[in-house]
Amino acid sequence: DIVMTQSPDSLAVSLGERATINCKSSQSVLYSSNNKNYLAWYQQKPGQPPKLLIYWASTRESGVPDRFSGSGSGTDFTLTITSLQAEDVAVYYCHQYYSFPITFGQGTRLEIK
Amino acid sequence: EVQLVESGGGLVQPGGSLRLSCAGSGFIFSRYWMTWVRQAPGKGLEWVASIKKDGSEIYYMDSVKGRFTISRDNAKSSLFLQMNSLRVEDTAVYYCARTDIDKISDNWGQGTLVTVSS
Repeated sequence: DIVMTQSPDSLAVSLGERATINCKSSQSVLYSSNNKNYLAWYQQKPGQPPKLLIYWASTRESGVPDRFSGSGSGTDFTLTITSLQAEDVAVYYCHQYYSFPITFGQGTRLEIK
Repeated sequence: EVQLVESGGGLVQPGGSLRLSCAGSGFIFSRYWMTWVRQAPGKGLEWVASIKKDGSEIYYMDSVKGRFTISRDNAKSSLFLQMNSLRVEDTAVYYCARTDIDKISDNWGQGTLVTVSS
């Protein structure tokens, strides 16, 4: 199974500042035949289902603000939120869909400082 | 608008059974994989099972193999999860998610709570 490890577990950032969340997979999620990283990021607010933010490691889902960006390849990935807004308070999960069993990171709780 | 509505959750004793349903609308259900993901109270997301658009491929997490069965009825745009021999550790909110051919789950329902307790 591919283990996804996020860091940090929690993060407090001031409004308007940058938030960075890291995700490391226990094996590469880069599929060589199409050069795509099978890595997604979800945002989950209290009492709500997860919302897809980023897929293919760096492709923003339709309607997601451009302050959210994803980067990385192979085993190391980053979700960056530039200019943090109050509505960005949530738990963020990375997720590999490279192979079954599909796995998620443990989550990173983002709060306002 | 894509909508996924889960139902069938509730309180059940250890060893009991439940059948969850997920009704899809706003998209052509038969063109998508579908997935169940669960979330124990206060915990993270855990993938449970996925089924191909025609039901020809099915995958389960190890801890539910032999106890849970995922199925679908494309004519009724519905997804199911039959859960038998339930354990306390199966207590969670169960979400159904529309999943594309690349296994990206892009739309999720609001979830249904399953509580396994004596």
